[in-house]
Parts: sequence; structure tokens; C-alpha cells
Amino acid sequence: KAGVTQTPRYLIKTRGQQVTLSCSPISGHRSVSWYQQTPGQGLQFLFEYFSETQRNKGNFPGRFSGRQFSNSRSEMNVSTLELGDSALYLCASSFESNYGYTFGSGTRLTVV
Amino acid sequence: GDSVTQMEGPVTLSEEAFLTINCTYTATGYPSLFWYVQYPGEGLQLLLKATKADDKGSNKGFEATYRKETTSFHLEKGSVQVSDSAVYFCALRAGKSTFGDGTTLTVKP
Repeated sequence: KAGVTQTPRYLIKTRGQQVTLSCSPISGHRSVSWYQQTPGQGLQFLFEYFSETQRNKGNFPGRFSGRQFSNSRSEMNVSTLELGDSALYLCASSFESNYGYTFGSGTRLTVV
Repeated sequence: GDSVTQMEGPVTLSEEAFLTINCTYTATGYPSLFWYVQYPGEGLQLLLKATKADDKGSNKGFEATYRKETTSFHLEKGSVQVSDSAVYFCALRAGKSTFGDGTTLTVKP
């Protein structure tokens, strides 16, 4: 079956711009979570959506937002980009909370 | 809040050596525990899991036991191979997941 699909794979944006990342979870998975991965901070939890509702949120500023659609696809938006937002953004889906994740390959965001 | 502490790396072993990567956690409630692996050039993959105390997760020769009394979930393998070279992440999940910093394992022939 198809895995978790993230688009685009790579993005280069300028400071101050905004960006939207997309994630299509595995069919049947209702929980979608987003993580930021950087060499210095490791994997940091952004938020989790379940059946179109944000269920958990990490400690990121309000510039980071997300949503989930009725088909479980999810988007993540970052507004007013800063250089420090450069990272690999990973989407992970699971059937339910407390199940293991299936990760996508990530979107590599570079802010210049 | 929840936290996961992993053994610092990097870890370098010879082929067929015994592997232990220590992981301890702090959590309220009763989280599920996981090990994920990231092979060079690849994405994160679930390696094994345990959902309650005394459960043993196992996969590809790796094992880990959920020890509630010591809040630990150490990863072990009896005989490592060069192909096991990767970064290993311990994680807990109680709604959101909290990951350890990762331990880089290099296995030399």
C-alpha cells in the first residue's frame, strides 16, 4: 500500500515569506502528526491532528499552523519565515494515537 | 513534561558483537514505547514497539522490554551486522510522541 506522501520534497524560501507543506497519510490512518528535525534540536513535535481536530500541540510559535481535511490529508503552514525555520519537516501518520508512526520522507525547507 | 533520555553515541561495534542502547523515560500516565531506526539516506522507520509494562517488542533480531519499575526500554541485539549501521531513536507516545536524541551505530566488518 502507498506510504505517507509529503510534497514538495525540497523548498527554498526567503525570510518573511510563508510556506505550505502537504501530507497524505496512509489510507485508513486518522492521526497525522508533524515534526521538525534539525541537527541541533533533534525531532521536535509540532502538532497532531485527528479527524480534522488538533489534538495535541508542541511548543512552537503561532507562526506554525496546520489543518486536516475530511480525507485525512494534512497541511502545515509557516508564516513570516525566519532563517531558524530551515529544517526537515516530517509528517507521520498512525491509525490511532499511541500506535507507532509511519513517517514520510519529509520536506527539506531552506530559508535564505 | 514527558522526556526520553538515550545513551549518547556514537557507538562503534565489530560485526557479531552484542548491542545495547540504553533508553529511559519520564512520563505521566502509561505511554506506549517505541524504537525507530533511520538508515543512511532513508526516512525514519518503526523498528519495534511495546504498549504496556513487561511487553517485549521484537523485530529483525532486535528486542526491547518495557520496564515500568525502572522506566526503561533498552534496545538489544545479540549479533549485529554491518547492515544495522544506522541512527536509532527511542520514543514514547501518550498522544504526542517525544523522541530521544538518537544514537548513531556503526558496525565494522
